[in-house]
Amino acid sequence: DAMVIQNPRYQVTQFGKPVTLSCSQTLNHNVMYWYQQKSSQAPKLLFHYYDKDFNNEADTPDNFQSRRPNTSFCFLDIRSPGLGDAAMYLCATSRDFQPQHFGDGTRLSIL
Amino acid sequence: QQQVKQSPQSLIVQKGGISIINCAYENTAFDYFPWYQQFPGKGPALLIAIRPDVSEKKEGRFTISFNKSAKQFSLHIMDSQPGDSATYFCAAAESGTYKYIFGTGTRLKVLA
Repeated sequence: DAMVIQNPRYQVTQFGKPVTLSCSQTLNHNVMYWYQQKSSQAPKLLFHYYDKDFNNEADTPDNFQSRRPNTSFCFLDIRSPGLGDAAMYLCATSRDFQPQHFGDGTRLSIL
Repeated sequence: QQQVKQSPQSLIVQKGGISIINCAYENTAFDYFPWYQQFPGKGPALLIAIRPDVSEKKEGRFTISFNKSAKQFSLHIMDSQPGDSATYFCAAAESGTYKYIFGTGTRLKVLA
């Protein structure tokens, strides 16, 4: 089945230690998104790639960066995680913009 | 003007009953309205979506009703089942744009 796959499902890192989350897709969608979702809240868009073009949301902290080496893969890098960055991180994809299909997320814990 | 207001925040329904979740928006440029279902520990899954050229869309037990003049849309879950217990998010977007404006979510619990 075509899908959006996120690895790992659970990630524990230390305060300030860089961490990378990965997302792959078999849908051949040209747009990929990263969202942050905290408990009992709606997903919050961090950034997206339209093809190779990177688009950052205005309120996304500089601590968060992303790479998309090819159509199928996208990475979220958190350079110096703080306690407030503990959350579920969701990757989504779309053909052009709608509809968006989400992966099952990576739950990030900060020690 | 970019907000989508979702209600209720939580909902408890008996098995077999109808679950109704409402959303309201202000931006008349929105023309795509998806609903997502999210189980604990999982990502949101697209349930059903509507565009304003129709007033209702039905897929199985799930129906979206859309009132363009009132700028409101709602999700109806007929014959609700315990397996429907999840958090539901409505969203709104403009065609050709990337940004979804999500509602705040409704936690549904269906009692057996």
